[in-house]
Amino acid sequence: DAGVTQSPTHLIKTRGQQVTLRCSPISGHKSVSWYQQVLGQGPQFIFQYYEKEERGRGNFPDRFSARQFPNYSSELNVNALLLGDSALYLCASSPGLAGGLNYNEQFFGPGTRLTVL
Amino acid sequence: AQSVTQLDSQVPVFEEAPVELRCNYSSSVSVYLFWYVQYPNQGLQLLLKYLSGSTLVESINGFEAEFNKSQTSFHLRKPSVHISDTAEYFCAVTITGGGNKLTFGTGTQLKVEL
Repeated sequence: DAGVTQSPTHLIKTRGQQVTLRCSPISGHKSVSWYQQVLGQGPQFIFQYYEKEERGRGNFPDRFSARQFPNYSSELNVNALLLGDSALYLCASSPGLAGGLNYNEQFFGPGTRLTVL
Repeated sequence: AQSVTQLDSQVPVFEEAPVELRCNYSSSVSVYLFWYVQYPNQGLQLLLKYLSGSTLVESINGFEAEFNKSQTSFHLRKPSVHISDTAEYFCAVTITGGGNKLTFGTGTQLKVEL
């Protein structure tokens, strides 16, 4: 079975440009989360989507936006790129949202490495 | 809000020696705890997790971690490491019933030497 896939693998942009990153979840998974991993640090939560609705947002500026499509794939958009946006962007999928004491395991994709010059 | 502290940024160890990677967390509510491993140029792979029940959890490749609520710790251990264990290890936490949002530590680079 295919795991979480992300495209592109690598991307180079210049300051001020806009970028779109794509994620396809594991078949049957309805929730997608995005994380930013700056070199030398742990991943930071950006967004979570479930059934095409935003269900969580981390401490990121409005330059960051995302959406989820009817087939549960997702896009992360970043406008007005800054040098500090250079990072590995990870997508994770899970079957659904956790509720009560339940936990839905997240499966991570290989990431998109964004370099902003 | 919850937080995770991994005090050791790098841990060098010789092959077949034991290793412990330390993780402490802070949260005002109940949490689930995880260890993820990241090999160079790859995404994150779940190594093991604590959700409930026995406080000692084990992975299929010989790692184990123990949840200690009084010390708010979830240290990762392996009695004998292999060269192939060289990787970055991240401890993470999520609050129970709080969806899937994970809060990660800054990571520990485990370097196994011959």
